[in-house]
Amino acid sequence: QQQVKQSPQSLIVQKGGISIINCAYENTAFDYFPWYQQFPGKGPALLIAIRPDVSEKKEGRFTISFNKSAKQFSLHIMDSQPGDSATYFCAASNRAGTASKLTFGTGTRLQVTL
Amino acid sequence: NAGVTQTPKFRILKIGQSMTLQCAQDMNHNYMYWYRQDPGMGLKLIYYSVGAGITDKGEVPNGYNVSRSTTEDFPLRLELAAPSQTSVYFCASRVTGGFDEQYFGPGTRLTVT
Repeated sequence: QQQVKQSPQSLIVQKGGISIINCAYENTAFDYFPWYQQFPGKGPALLIAIRPDVSEKKEGRFTISFNKSAKQFSLHIMDSQPGDSATYFCAASNRAGTASKLTFGTGTRLQVTL
Repeated sequence: NAGVTQTPKFRILKIGQSMTLQCAQDMNHNYMYWYRQDPGMGLKLIYYSVGAGITDKGEVPNGYNVSRSTTEDFPLRLELAAPSQTSVYFCASRVTGGFDEQYFGPGTRLTVT
């Protein structure tokens, strides 16, 4: 199975709060799990990514938590800011073979209110 | 570097018309991809290419064609436009090897009526 399931579909968080977005996958061959951020009218851009040999990766206010046994990973945005308001996509890929391809989740629209 | 560029930004087509969505990158990336993005559906891979002269189908290739004659360009062709092809189309590219960080263009919003 190549599916990546993402939740919630939308999220409203107050400024300073913690935003949490969850993803689950089925294909145990996936070995790379990025999160992309997309602002309205723009293309997605890589935010942060993790490999399955670590359980957590932190970059500034953004943290990926990875649970290999549960086949789940999540994005945590600490101290959420209005500028974080965007759509977030989780993704997964299997780098085996000549052309790895990303499988994307359906996206979470985050709104950070004042 | 301009990165990944796409033209046009917007286009309205009538059913049955044809058009080519242009994509170019100046990062010397071998891998290029075409996605479509529909509301609530994420990004679906249409076609991809691992280098000039090499293309392959993605998840949703029906109704589309691609070619890759140079490293820089990866045009997407719609031959007989249908309302189901109304979408936002994104082109992306990445380096060979390493991790799969893809660089996306700004997108083309296509409406078929």
